[in-house]
Amino acid sequence: GQNIDQPTEMTATEGAIVQINCTYQTSGFNGLFWYQQHAGEAPTFLSYNVLDGLEEKGRFSSFLSRSKGYSYLLLKELQMKDSASYLCAVVSGANNLFFGTGTRLTVIP
Amino acid sequence: DAGVTQSPTHLIKTRGQQVTLRCSPKSGHDTVSWYQQALGQGPQFIFQYYEEEERQRGNFPDRFSGHQFPNYSSELNVNALLLGDSALYLCASSRETGSGPLIGSGYTFGSGTRLTVV
Repeated sequence: GQNIDQPTEMTATEGAIVQINCTYQTSGFNGLFWYQQHAGEAPTFLSYNVLDGLEEKGRFSSFLSRSKGYSYLLLKELQMKDSASYLCAVVSGANNLFFGTGTRLTVIP
Repeated sequence: DAGVTQSPTHLIKTRGQQVTLRCSPKSGHDTVSWYQQALGQGPQFIFQYYEEEERQRGNFPDRFSGHQFPNYSSELNVNALLLGDSALYLCASSRETGSGPLIGSGYTFGSGTRLTVV
């Protein structure tokens, strides 16, 4: 089975840094994605980790520890437009994506 | 280079009816996966199609079926609709390589079909 956990909601202040955690237990692992999704829209790609360590891309960074079944997404210099749901998804099985429930981030002034 | 196209964008059906949703993958992609996303939840994997065959299936009843055509486009069919089938249905395409799909940013999502069952 697949079990992917992330916090349901988070609130952070504009300009601050926020870390969204994701833990997973899956049968097979071929990488982990983070997606951003605004309400009623398609998920959009943020990052992909397959090896342990930190991947940095502008204001967004993602970390993976395969031995701990743990990842986090780090958002720096938060902007109001960053208010969205952030989805953690593990690639497993025949390279299918299995998603967590998503973390709804609200950025306040 | 067109992305993933889904149709229709919105749909209202009555309980017990049948519905067909359509997906055209991104150019160069040959694999299509379907997801159901209920309000406030993450997408749930329904099934994946490759080479016109259902390759893997999630925990969904047989009322959910699909098809992939030679041009890689795909349909999702849901029979005997229930109120609980109301959701955003997402299609994601990717390109299969000999050792799995083109990963990294290789999964491209469509904007989805919002199905409401009344």
